[in-house]
Amino acid sequence: DAGITQSPRHKVTETGTPVTLRCHQTENHRYMYWYRQDPGHGLRLIHYSYGVKDTDKGEVSDGYSVSRSKTEDFLLTLESATSSQTSVYFCAIAGTGSSYEQYFGPGTRLTVT
Amino acid sequence: GQNIDQPTEMTATEGAIVQINCTYQTSGFNGLFWYQQHAGEAPTFLSYNVLDGLEEKGRFSSFLSRSKGYSYLLLKELQMKDSASYLCADDSWGKLQFGAGTQVVVTP
Repeated sequence: DAGITQSPRHKVTETGTPVTLRCHQTENHRYMYWYRQDPGHGLRLIHYSYGVKDTDKGEVSDGYSVSRSKTEDFLLTLESATSSQTSVYFCAIAGTGSSYEQYFGPGTRLTVT
Repeated sequence: GQNIDQPTEMTATEGAIVQINCTYQTSGFNGLFWYQQHAGEAPTFLSYNVLDGLEEKGRFSSFLSRSKGYSYLLLKELQMKDSASYLCADDSWGKLQFGAGTQVVVTP
């Protein structure tokens, strides 16, 4: 299995609070991705990174920001959590861009009350 | 993914064959992924098709027709452990877009 972990694995937070999710990899892969998964929508790309300090938006980026200060860590921040951001968040890594197998982390279940 | 279409659910009996179809938009298309996802777990990679034709990996095979924007995943000799969601994703413009997934239910 690819060395990819996410923390926390579960979180309950209140509307309006900031939340940061962490993705950590030990594979030295260049590309990292954040997705959210909701019933009926499948996996949707939030943001991705193609190197340290290089990030770009996905299809559902509003309300989210990311940072990547070193190869192994990719942080996702919900600046002011809303109930619509209740979801399961998956991080993924890839060695040579999206035209290659993506390995997924175990996921973080976030509930915003 | 609004540009990816796959059936919501399919049911089949143990030992049978099931074919999961996936259609996608061809603009900027690079390749087509299939992932398996068991309930409460992360998706795991099954196949990646770039060229037209059928690729076989044990009990699972994946087919691609680039001109038709069409792929299918074939699961043979179904086992109870194959009960899962199967996600189709197209690789376009350097990013993956996923379908909503097909829930396969295998019955005894």
